[in-house]
Amino acid sequence: SQKIEQNSEALNIQEGKTATLTCNYTNYSPAYLQWYRQDPGRGPVFLLLIRENEKEKRKERLKVTFDTTLKQSLFHITASQPADSATYLCALLSGAGSYQLTFGKGTKLSVIP
Amino acid sequence: EAQVTQNPRYLITVTGKKLTVTCSQNMNHEYMSWYRQDPGLGLRQIYYSMNVEVTDKGDVPEGYKVSRKEKRNFPLILESPSPNQTSLYFCASSFRPAGEQFFGPGTRLTVL
Repeated sequence: SQKIEQNSEALNIQEGKTATLTCNYTNYSPAYLQWYRQDPGRGPVFLLLIRENEKEKRKERLKVTFDTTLKQSLFHITASQPADSATYLCALLSGAGSYQLTFGKGTKLSVIP
Repeated sequence: EAQVTQNPRYLITVTGKKLTVTCSQNMNHEYMSWYRQDPGLGLRQIYYSMNVEVTDKGDVPEGYKVSRKEKRNFPLILESPSPNQTSLYFCASSFRPAGEQFFGPGTRLTVL
């Protein structure tokens, strides 16, 4: 069966360090993978999209990698700040020609001052 | 301002009393979807719509109905709500399924 796993429910990190979050998937062949940020009680906010032919994407302090062989995406926040504390979700389409978007359960990141 | 709006934001109801949660977007998006979010289960897609009059089931469609009569609106209908539909509901829209999703503020539904 298809599965998306974000390997940590929670991650605590010291301010200034790099946070690395993982998204693994099985039985999908996604052409795209997305990352979102969600604050408590609010809707997710889009951060980055990476295509299957892109190894890496950057946006300010954010970096996403996408390894279709390992079936894994890594999401990095460099020079982390307490304001980065939130839940981060990965999402992908169920497969070629699919229109159904599936989200991982998320990783709750806490950046400690 | 480009946005997705949902109403109501909070709703407490009783089992079996039909309700509708409205969703509207002003970005001319073709793709719209509904999700429910529950602790430990994450965000799960209920229904999605590729365009007017085109809807399809997501992962958890049982007990829900949707309609897409206009491009901007995508209401979620619970014909006979039950307590297991108590959840936080989000509507989202985008130009295409693989594109950036814009989420509404959420509707917190409690079914007693």
